[in-house]
Amino acid sequence: AQSVTQLDSQVPVFEEAPVELRCNYSSSVSVYLFWYVQYPNQGLQLLLKYLSGSTLVKSINGFEAEFNKSQTSFHLRKPSVHISDTAEYFCAVIYNTDKLIFGTGTRLQVFP
Amino acid sequence: NAGVTQTPKFQVLKTGQSMTLQCAQDMNHEYMSWYRQDPGMGLRLIHYSVGAGITDQGEVPNGYNVSRSTTEDFPLRLLSAAPSQTSVYFCASSYDRTGLVTEAFFGQGTRLTVV
Repeated sequence: AQSVTQLDSQVPVFEEAPVELRCNYSSSVSVYLFWYVQYPNQGLQLLLKYLSGSTLVKSINGFEAEFNKSQTSFHLRKPSVHISDTAEYFCAVIYNTDKLIFGTGTRLQVFP
Repeated sequence: NAGVTQTPKFQVLKTGQSMTLQCAQDMNHEYMSWYRQDPGMGLRLIHYSVGAGITDQGEVPNGYNVSRSTTEDFPLRLLSAAPSQTSVYFCASSYDRTGLVTEAFFGQGTRLTVV
């Protein structure tokens, strides 16, 4: 079955340190990849997306993700995190123009 | 332009009661969907609709009904609430099911507790 795997349920990190949140998906002919962020008691907001073209995509607040077809991954990275980045991050995939499927989420906790 | 609006924000039900969670969008999106969010399980798709008059089941449809009489509205009905339906519910909409034109926009969620 098509799925999305986020192996890390929680990632603690100190402010200004780099972070990587991992996401792997099932191999498929075509995929569209997304990272959403959820701040406490709020809905989900799109952080970045890969639809086609350049495999490296970036958000306006310093996050980036790279589509790696051979490793079926779409890991999210930021070179230096801020306290305000504390949130839950969800990887999501559309397989073959079908439904949007979410991973189980990774809670990023940034400490001062 | 309000985006996706969900009501109510909070609800407590007794086992066996029924209720409807409302979802409306003003972006003229074709694709709308309902998810439930539970700790450690991410967001799981309940039902979705690719346009007015068309609905389909997602991953966890049991205990829920939906209808799509207009493009704007996509209500989710719990016919006989059970404690297992305690969760946070999110409604989402996008232009089409591929998300190629726009990403999915989410409502603020409904926190439902069934006692």
